[in-house]
Amino acid sequence: DIQMTQSPSTLSASIGDRVTITCRASQSIGTWLAWYQQKPGKAPKLLIYKASNLESGVPSRISGSGSGTEFTLTISSLEPDDFATYYCQKYDNYSPENIFGQGTKVEI
Amino acid sequence: QMQLVQSGAEVKKPGSSVKVSCQASGGAFTDYAFSWVRQAPGQGLEWMGGIVPLFNTANYAQKFRGRITITADRLTTTAYMELPNLTSDDTAVYYCAGGRSRTYFADRWGQGTLVTVSS
Repeated sequence: DIQMTQSPSTLSASIGDRVTITCRASQSIGTWLAWYQQKPGKAPKLLIYKASNLESGVPSRISGSGSGTEFTLTISSLEPDDFATYYCQKYDNYSPENIFGQGTKVEI
Repeated sequence: QMQLVQSGAEVKKPGSSVKVSCQASGGAFTDYAFSWVRQAPGQGLEWMGGIVPLFNTANYAQKFRGRITITADRLTTTAYMELPNLTSDDTAVYYCAGGRSRTYFADRWGQGTLVTVSS
């Protein structure tokens, strides 16, 4: 089974910082990767799909890159609204395992 | 824009079953795949399974295979998730999530349904 590993688990940052979160797959998944943001008590929100495609309405300071087994989510200049937990997800309609990473909490 | 509205919170006894519904509106039901994702208290997201209503095909995560049943009713544009033999480990918020173009990434989410399993 494919495993998805995010790092770090927690990230302390300040307003204006450049932040990078990494997601590694245990085997190649092409670009079938999505990123989500979740705030406490709320449903997740899609940020990025197919590794690097920005979802409509998501600010351009957020970007995704990578392919194969290593992927990154970058926030170019952290804003107060960005303090949240971020999850990667490997997705594939031909596989029953559409697995989430364990999450990265971005805190002040 | 598709909206997903889930059924309300449930309190269940160990050993019982729960069935959570997810009503879709404002979009073409058969253009989407619907996943069920749960989140135990203080924990991360766990993909349980999903269904593509156009083909009525369901996929289940290995952990839940043989236990969970996911169905979709095209007439009422509602997806369902049924989980039997509940234990305290099943206490979680259960989310319905919709993926456009019938994919399993989720651009639409329901509000979540808290299922509490307690004797």
